[in-house]
Amino acid sequence: SQTIHQWPATLVQPVGSPLSLECTVEGTSNPNLYWYRQAAGRGLQLLFYSVGIGQISSEVPQNLSASRPQDRQFILSSKKLLLSDSGFYLCAWSVQGEKLFFGSGTQLSVL
Amino acid sequence: GNSVTQMEGPVTLSEEAFLTINCTYTATGYPSLFWYVQYPGEGLQLLLKATKADDKGSNKGFEATYRKETTSFHLEKGSVQVSDSAVYFCALSYGGSQGNLIFGKGTKLSVKP
Repeated sequence: SQTIHQWPATLVQPVGSPLSLECTVEGTSNPNLYWYRQAAGRGLQLLFYSVGIGQISSEVPQNLSASRPQDRQFILSSKKLLLSDSGFYLCAWSVQGEKLFFGSGTQLSVL
Repeated sequence: GNSVTQMEGPVTLSEEAFLTINCTYTATGYPSLFWYVQYPGEGLQLLLKATKADDKGSNKGFEATYRKETTSFHLEKGSVQVSDSAVYFCALSYGGSQGNLIFGKGTKLSVKP
């Protein structure tokens, strides 16, 4: 069966520090992969999606970047975190035409 | 642009009460509509969906009807249980892939025994 792993569950980082959140999917091949963020008081916002290795589409301009070094690995990064980067980050996957499956999320607090 | 508005929470109900969580949307074209649910300590998961006007999505006793004339997709359940306590998100899809979703802010439901 397919599973999605996302870690860490919580993270506290100082302003200006780097960030790396990792997401891996098991049990499927060539999935679409997504990073979403929910900032306080706002809905879930799509940040990046990827339809294949090395293929990244950004939905909104921001301080973050994403990479897909392997078929089932999706990484969210930042060189220097801002206070506004605080939020709940969710990784998700889908096979085109089918429903979306989410990870359990990472609560990021930038202080 | 595309957007989703859902009722603010939290919502607290007694077991067996009737539930309605309102959701309205703004979209160009004809999006698909979804309700996702996040149970405590778990990831988001799809609850139900509707892909065209007048479609009714249903699952686990929950229902929602795609109303194009009112641009709404309200979630209903006739008799809630304690196990339904969760955060519910309304969403619409765009861009030809179900991963390109726009979500509402979420509504937290607490059901008391």
